Amino acid sequence: EAQVTQNPRYLITVTGKKLTVTCSQNMNHEYMSWYRQDPGLGLRQIYYSMNVEVTDKGDVPEGYKVSRKEKRNFPLILESPSPNQTSLYFCASTSGGVSYNEQFFGPGTRLTVL
Amino acid sequence: AQSVTQLDSQVPVFEEAPVELRCNYSSSVSVYLFWYVQYPNQGLQLLLKYLSGSTLVKGINGFEAEFNKSQTSFHLRKPSVHISDTAEYFCAVSPFTGNQFYFGTGTSLTVIP
Repeated sequence: EAQVTQNPRYLITVTGKKLTVTCSQNMNHEYMSWYRQDPGLGLRQIYYSMNVEVTDKGDVPEGYKVSRKEKRNFPLILESPSPNQTSLYFCASTSGGVSYNEQFFGPGTRLTVL
Repeated sequence: AQSVTQLDSQVPVFEEAPVELRCNYSSSVSVYLFWYVQYPNQGLQLLLKYLSGSTLVKGINGFEAEFNKSQTSFHLRKPSVHISDTAEYFCAVSPFTGNQFYFGTGTSLTVIP
């Protein structure tokens, strides 16, 4: 089954404790992206990757890091989480250009930073 | 720069009634337009998209949207809603020559039995 998986699905942590949210897709997609969803703000793009070793900032990259060492994986790293990073996070992937292709979304990771 | 405005944050509608969810966008370049749906506790899935050609686009589950270039709008419609249409709906744009994606703030559609 074609899918995007995220782990963990739920995470409660404390300020300053480094964490990684994993994202993996089995569709051989070149493009992967991370979004955060907040009430009243919709989804905002954090980082995206056009292919292995090619990443770029989205609209809200502060406080986040990403890496793309393998085509299927695109982990999101919070090196020193803060309460304002409490949010629902989605990973997505698509083939070719994101501008016209459908993005496939993971189930989401709900992060709470105390 | 691009921005997407969804004019209604919440839309309650009775079952079998028609519904329109409004979306306006602003962009200095040409964009592709999308509607995504998010069912409770799930990720987003594509409802429909406008790339070119006919301005009336049909999507899944009986939804359709009309692109109006002069008004920079892309409103979503359904002639008769069902309980199962209760969800969050997001309008989004992506520039022709770009790698970023811009979502609106979402419209929560609640279908009342």
